[in-house]
Amino acid sequence: EIVLTQSPATLSLSPGERATLSCRTSQSVSNYLAWYQQRPGQTPRLLIYDASNRATGIPARFSGSGSGTDFTLTISSLEPEDFAVYYCQHRRNWPLTFGGGTKVEI
Amino acid sequence: EVQLLESGGGLVQPGGSLRLSCAASGFTLSSHDMTWVRQAPGKGLEWVSSMTGSGDYTNYADSVKGRFTISRDNSKNTLYLQMNSLRVEDTAVYFCVRGLNGWFFEYWGQGALVTVSS
Repeated sequence: EIVLTQSPATLSLSPGERATLSCRTSQSVSNYLAWYQQRPGQTPRLLIYDASNRATGIPARFSGSGSGTDFTLTISSLEPEDFAVYYCQHRRNWPLTFGGGTKVEI
Repeated sequence: EVQLLESGGGLVQPGGSLRLSCAASGFTLSSHDMTWVRQAPGKGLEWVSSMTGSGDYTNYADSVKGRFTISRDNSKNTLYLQMNSLRVEDTAVYFCVRGLNGWFFEYWGQGALVTVSS
């Protein structure tokens, strides 16, 4: 099983600041990695797939990078609605696994 | 518009069974890979089970293998998750999700709460 480790667990920032979230995998997943956002009380939303492709309707302030075992989600300038929990997920093989999440808080 | 509507959740005693349904609209289930993902209260996301669009391949997390079964009815455009021998640790919101590039999760249902408790 590929283990995904997200850091930091919590990121405390202000609106307008840049957020940098990390996801490390226990073995290479190539570029088969996605990022999701989950706001309180809402369902998860796909942000980034295949490490760097924005999903439909996702604002350009969200970007993903990385390959192999080290990946980054960057939010260039935080909007109030971006304060949420973010998860990474791989699809390299079975079982599919998620990271434990990073909470971005004000 | 793609919509996924889960139903069938509820309170069940340990050892009991439930069947979740996921009614899809706006697309044909047999053309897309589908997955169930769950989230225990206050916890993160956990993959549960997946089925290919062709229906010829299914897979399960070790935690549910042998107890849960994924299936679908093409005539009703509905995905199911039969859950048997339920345990307290199966308590979670269960999401029905449509795949993108196979096993990324693009569209999510609103979720069905399953509570396993005596």
